[in-house]
Amino acid sequence: SAVISQKPSRDICQRGTSLTIQCQVDSQVTMMFWYRQQPGQSLTLIATANQGSEATYESGFVIDKFPISRPNLTFSTLTVSNMSPEDSSIYLCSVERESNEQFFGPGTRLTVL
Amino acid sequence: GENVEQHPSTLSVQEGDSAVIKCTYSDSASNYFPWYKQELGKRPQLIIDIRSNVGEKKDQRIAVTLNKTAKHFSLHITETQPEDSAVYFCAASDGYIPTFGRGTSLIVHP
Repeated sequence: SAVISQKPSRDICQRGTSLTIQCQVDSQVTMMFWYRQQPGQSLTLIATANQGSEATYESGFVIDKFPISRPNLTFSTLTVSNMSPEDSSIYLCSVERESNEQFFGPGTRLTVL
Repeated sequence: GENVEQHPSTLSVQEGDSAVIKCTYSDSASNYFPWYKQELGKRPQLIIDIRSNVGEKKDQRIAVTLNKTAKHFSLHITETQPEDSAVYFCAASDGYIPTFGRGTSLIVHP
């Protein structure tokens, strides 16, 4: 498995502001992912964070709204920009180990007022 | 792209009964099928997975079956316990990024 931490664990933010979520892994991984999970819903992939290159975004998600950094093989950040109440959700990072197994971070619960 | 359908959305059983959750997928290139358990307020946890070269896999009270021809796979939990209550997600992957089902809320009544 992998030990994955996220900061902050939760936050309450005002609309129009931005929040940066950090994801730290205990060992080097090639693939890191950012997901959004709205209450009672499934996991929606936002983007794949690649070290040394730009993130790859899924349909419906854009870099201006969700900029991602991946400065090294153990760390990534996701910023939720110009937030609105619709951005209230749980944001999870995950990593892929050998054999395609994915492990998730504990999540960041974001509330936008 | 891949499409994963998961049923039922809610499953209520008595302690000791068996529970079965079924998923279908659309992309014949998918070859890896993990199942995740998410307890309330917690992260999804990988509980079992199966690859396309295997038809069935067991781990104590849980088992997963795969029918490649019909493109469906199922999670079986025997002798359910209250601590099995959670949301279960299936997923299908072609070796890159998994596509998740919508989830099944399993409730085990003591």
